[in-house]
Amino acid sequence: QVQLQQWGAGLLKPSETLSLTCAVYGGSFSGYYWSWIRQPPGKGLEWIGEISHSGSTNYNPSLKSRLTISVDTSKNQFSLKLNSVTAADTAVYYCSRAVGGIVGDNWGQGTLVTVSS
Amino acid sequence: DVVMTQSPLSLPVTLGQPASISCRSSQSLVYNDGNTYLNWFQQRPGQSPRRLIYKVSNRDSGVPDRFSGSGSGTDFTLKISRVEAEDVGVYYCMQGTHWPRTFGQGTKVEIK
Repeated sequence: QVQLQQWGAGLLKPSETLSLTCAVYGGSFSGYYWSWIRQPPGKGLEWIGEISHSGSTNYNPSLKSRLTISVDTSKNQFSLKLNSVTAADTAVYYCSRAVGGIVGDNWGQGTLVTVSS
Repeated sequence: DVVMTQSPLSLPVTLGQPASISCRSSQSLVYNDGNTYLNWFQQRPGQSPRRLIYKVSNRDSGVPDRFSGSGSGTDFTLKISRVEAEDVGVYYCMQGTHWPRTFGQGTKVEIK
């Protein structure tokens, strides 16, 4: 059974860089797209972007100018960096797996990131 | 972006009774390969989302058969044949046909 375990800093100040990593255990890393999805407190889900094992990316245009998703196939890990954060970026961030348009069969545990001065 | 519109946003149901959630997309979700990438997720309080249905009507492993998905094009439905207490939570549709992927606003299912 595939497990996704994520980690990263939970408290940031405005203008800092959000950085999260997700490790994949117990399954193949290739052949999938690896996604980031976020959920502001009390609100709905927003797709952030995804990366393939070979490094091909698709980003949400609303975040693209501040966003970098990268992959480390030697460790079966992928990472999210979001620059110049504001309070609007406060959310629970999830990592997940996709096969094309079949999204989200496995999810990480979620990381609450709070942006506050 | 493709807008996903769910209704209702709140759904009080009686235990053992059926429930139905509608999801409509602003564009057709039929992809070039002929597949329709419409997924349904359940999010229980305090938990990560869990996928229930993929490609409109395919139930994920371990999902009870009281959950079913249907629809085509731009109009989709998630049905629960007999609601149980463990079904309380928020349900989201999500399209995986177009980029960026987009979710519906969520439908909160609660017991009357």
